[in-house]
Amino acid sequence: GAVVSQHPSRVICKSGTSVKIECRSLDFQATTMFWYRQFPKQSLMLMATSNEGSKATYEQGVEKDKFLINHASLTLSTLTVTSAHPEDSSFYICSASAWASYEQYFGPGTRLTVT
Amino acid sequence: AQSVTQLDSHVSVSEGTPVLLRCNYSSSYSPSLFWYVQHPNKGLQLLLKYTSAATLVKGINGFEAEFKKSETSFHLTKPSAHMSDAAEYFCVVRGPREYGNKLVFGAGTILRVKS
Repeated sequence: GAVVSQHPSRVICKSGTSVKIECRSLDFQATTMFWYRQFPKQSLMLMATSNEGSKATYEQGVEKDKFLINHASLTLSTLTVTSAHPEDSSFYICSASAWASYEQYFGPGTRLTVT
Repeated sequence: AQSVTQLDSHVSVSEGTPVLLRCNYSSSYSPSLFWYVQHPNKGLQLLLKYTSAATLVKGINGFEAEFKKSETSFHLTKPSAHMSDAAEYFCVVRGPREYGNKLVFGAGTILRVKS
């Protein structure tokens, strides 16, 4: 149980384009989803927290207009990197938490490369 | 505020010898603490967690950790390293539920296992 998937696992896009990453909870309803990014050889940094049906709460320093997060259903959250630039290249990881669970279950991550 | 400090960025052991990965935490609240493992280009796998029950926590793959409040430590150990243990390990502290269930990651420790 408590499986979280991400799609795609790896994406390469050109500078200036937008790319969407999906995070799905496969066997539970995720009332809260978290998005992290991990630069090479660094730790995970929380970008934003999203609750189903609400606007995401972004961490300090994260541009909400650049990293659009949608959590429209209890099993799906999306992160759209708009007008991507090479410095956005990173490993993006989502996690999901069910109401009253307090546990976070992590997806396998998405490697984004912007050329 | 909460934080974790992983005292070693790299640890190298020989196969069959003990593993010790050190973690100190700082928390204004009674913390929940976790150890996660990440293999290259993969997502996170939960090894074990401490949530105010037994101070000695046993996890998967023979790992265990001991919560020591007096030392604010949560070191990860394994009696005998296996080649498959080579990965990056993250010590994580979680805030109380009323503060959004956020996880704060340590910088990570890369474990190398020599044959």
